[in-house]
Amino acid sequence: QSALTQPPSASGSPGQSVTISCTGTSSDIGGYNYVSWYQQHPGKAPKLIIYEVSKRPSGVPDRFSGSKSGNTASLTVSGLQAEDEADYYCSSYAGSNNLVFGGGTKLTVL
Amino acid sequence: QVQLQQWGAGLLKPSETLSLTCAVYGGSFSDYYWTWIRQPPGKGLEWIGEINHGGSTNYNPSLKSRVTISVDTSKNQFSLKLTSVTAADTAVYYCARGGGTTMIVPIWGQGTMVTVSS
Repeated sequence: QSALTQPPSASGSPGQSVTISCTGTSSDIGGYNYVSWYQQHPGKAPKLIIYEVSKRPSGVPDRFSGSKSGNTASLTVSGLQAEDEADYYCSSYAGSNNLVFGGGTKLTVL
Repeated sequence: QVQLQQWGAGLLKPSETLSLTCAVYGGSFSDYYWTWIRQPPGKGLEWIGEINHGGSTNYNPSLKSRVTISVDTSKNQFSLKLTSVTAADTAVYYCARGGGTTMIVPIWGQGTMVTVSS
């Protein structure tokens, strides 16, 4: 199984919107609606912010939204805030009881 | 409030066996899958494998030959063993609650840095 493909970096100014892509194959993202997104601040454990493509856990601001088209999933952060600066990772069920992650995207708030 | 507390040796020599344990406090232990994930310094996340309370396991195919995940339901603990470690196994290792059919991982431990060096 190969890692999902994410851009290494993304950036935006406060108040703007940024979209991070996550590209896989028909064997993972394209085959299942089990895409998750995690936010990780330096030195901290990852935090689940999106699951099952577009659902938000309790307590996650609605500024975070997820979507999927074909083999590509996307995370959009609207109304960027300074505290959104972090690394973001996508993951997908990859069949046969396997989980695959993306390589991560460093989001910078300018 | 579910909390995961993990521990284990932080410095290993090449060819040794990595051993970590994670204790679960609060919440149900039997209703979930329990997962190990690692993150090499400055790199991304890698799923290692998972186990349920009944001992059913699933492993990352790339690590399967070296990994064993076990469970002790009497203590609400689960453990990771990784044999024949090399420098490439140097990483922060996280225990977490989640996995199973949806592979959602909502709760993470604090992480343990494991360094492999001669």
